[in-house]
Amino acid sequence: AQSVAQPEDQVNVAEGNPLTVKCTYSVSGNPYLFWYVQYPNRGLQFLLKYITGDNLVKGSYGFEAEFNKSQTSFHLKKPSALVSDSALYFCAVRPPTGANNLFFGTGTRLTVIP
Amino acid sequence: SQTIHQWPATLVQPVGSPLSLECTVEGTSNPNLYWYRQAAGRGLQLLFYSVGIGQISSEVPQNLSASRPQDRQFILSSKKLLLSDSGFYLCAWSVHGSGNTIYFGEGSWLTVV
Repeated sequence: AQSVAQPEDQVNVAEGNPLTVKCTYSVSGNPYLFWYVQYPNRGLQFLLKYITGDNLVKGSYGFEAEFNKSQTSFHLKKPSALVSDSALYFCAVRPPTGANNLFFGTGTRLTVIP
Repeated sequence: SQTIHQWPATLVQPVGSPLSLECTVEGTSNPNLYWYRQAAGRGLQLLFYSVGIGQISSEVPQNLSASRPQDRQFILSSKKLLLSDSGFYLCAWSVHGSGNTIYFGEGSWLTVV
């Protein structure tokens, strides 16, 4: 069975500091991995995804994520946090075959402190 | 470019009343379409997905149903709402294929009173 874990419900970081939002996954085969961001009362916005190739993926708004197969992780990172990055972040996994669905983590609320 | 619209954005309905949430996608053809529900501002649960007109798969047993009368239209319905149907409903679309991104609409808040 496939699953995604986001071990931190809440992450606080000072503006200008680097941020990391953690994600680990469990899936058979080579996974497709995604990060989404959700602002209050809005839909989910796609940030980035890993399909294959370079383990470091760059996405929207200066975010990047590193795929680590040995640790089954796909942590989201940004070198310098902005107050406007405060939002709810979701990691998601999609098995390579046989599924039309994304399996989401429970989300991590990021607060960037001015 | 592709866009997704869903409406209404907010809805307050009495228990036992019917429901219809609509979603349309523009700028693409034969998309996969999805309805998700988000509970308590966190976890997302897939309710229905469709790979083509008239083809609906249900992921969880519930009081809701979905229909796809046209290629780019997806409708979430209920004949009689329950209090437990309250939540934030998200329509989404993707191109066929596992590696393709799922793109979400802005969501619809449903409050059943």
